[in-house]
Amino acid sequence: EAGVAQSPRYKIIEKRQSVAFWCNPISGHATLYWYQQILGQGPKLLIQFQNNGVVDDSQLPKDRFSAERLKGVDSTLKIQPAKLEDSAVYLCASSSYVGTQVTGELFFGEGSRLTVL
Amino acid sequence: GESVGLHLPTLSVQEGDNSIINCAYSNSASDYFIWYKQESGKGPQFIIDIRSNMDKRQGQRVTVLLNKTVKHLSLQIAATQPGDSAVYFCAENRNSGYSTLTFGKGTMLLVSP
Repeated sequence: EAGVAQSPRYKIIEKRQSVAFWCNPISGHATLYWYQQILGQGPKLLIQFQNNGVVDDSQLPKDRFSAERLKGVDSTLKIQPAKLEDSAVYLCASSSYVGTQVTGELFFGEGSRLTVL
Repeated sequence: GESVGLHLPTLSVQEGDNSIINCAYSNSASDYFIWYKQESGKGPQFIIDIRSNMDKRQGQRVTVLLNKTVKHLSLQIAATQPGDSAVYFCAENRNSGYSTLTFGKGTMLLVSP
């Protein structure tokens, strides 16, 4: 079974530039997550999709971050304009559960490491 | 021994020892907990989970204990191996109308041969 695919693995940009990350979840997984992981910290949820609808985006800085999941499969996360404090690893995860009961694990991709100079 | 690093608490053990990693969670309404292992440069990997109606669950070489009274979770690793060296996170499901996992700050486990 193929895992969660993310690209690019690494990206270096200057502040005020824009960047986009792509995620392909495990086939058939209805729920997709984007987490931000700053060095030395645990992952922080940015946005959660069920199919192509947003379940939770309460911690997404909507003035600069946007995410979409067209057709309920692949997802992109965009940052525009980037700030220095956006330097982090952006992790995509997927799971097979839907609804309000967690029934299993989240499967994570290897992440996209962003450095903002 | 256990020490506080620059950002992460660190637990250093010898190969073959048993390791205990602790986690305090914040929401008494959380109903599901997962331990994840994260190796350098990789995404978190599932280790073991436990529901709030249980207080203990065992896997292969790992045991998770849940104490809801004090909102405490622990991960016990038996016969720790160098390959167990990683950062370990506990995550809680804060069920507030929909399910989402919130991660703790993590503990770095260093296993010396």
